[in-house]
Amino acid sequence: QVQLQESGPGLVKPSQTLSLTCTVSGGSISSGSYYWSWIRQPAGKGLEWIGRIYTSGSTNYNPSLKSRVTISVDTSKNQFSLKLSSVTAADTAVYYCARTQHSGSYYSDYWGQGTLVTVSS
Amino acid sequence: SYELTQPPSVSVSPGQTARITCSGDALPKQYAYWYQQKPGQAPVLVIYKDSERPSGIPERFSGSSSGTTVTLTISGVQAEDEADYYCQSADSSGTFVVFGGGTKLTVL
Repeated sequence: QVQLQESGPGLVKPSQTLSLTCTVSGGSISSGSYYWSWIRQPAGKGLEWIGRIYTSGSTNYNPSLKSRVTISVDTSKNQFSLKLSSVTAADTAVYYCARTQHSGSYYSDYWGQGTLVTVSS
Repeated sequence: SYELTQPPSVSVSPGQTARITCSGDALPKQYAYWYQQKPGQAPVLVIYKDSERPSGIPERFSGSSSGTTVTLTISGVQAEDEADYYCQSADSSGTFVVFGGGTKLTVL
């Protein structure tokens, strides 16, 4: 059973860079044809796709966030990471990492529990 | 930017059938997926590729597609089905993932 766990600072100052890591257990991040995604959810609001990465390093980002987002993968640690630069209060949200498959289209079948990141001075 | 439209809320009594719709121009070309999210929990996939049900998901959950609208149907709704439901698909290129705004299902 694949498990994902987000980690990183819960508080980030405005204009700084938000950095989160997702650790994958129960399987190798490199095995199978899986992608690895980040999704976020502001309190009381809906889900927003941030982007995904393939273990080859190929990435796709939400066009509305593309200029500020970097997703990377470290196969030796079975981890992938999110960096979001120049954050504002609007970036305050629960951030989820997820395993993503491409069958017909992209969808996420395993999710982390989520981690709350607050942007505040 | 591409959008998927869901009703904000749906209410049903226990044992009745709940139908939650999701509309989008690219849905005739792109599959839809449905997630259930209970308070304080991560989303759970309940339907994939319009109408397929992952293992472990009760048979009362089903999905269908017609033109630019997909529908999640929950037959014989139970109190435990009260949750937010999100549809998810992709833009016409198939590259960018989009979520609907979510529908709060209330079991009366």
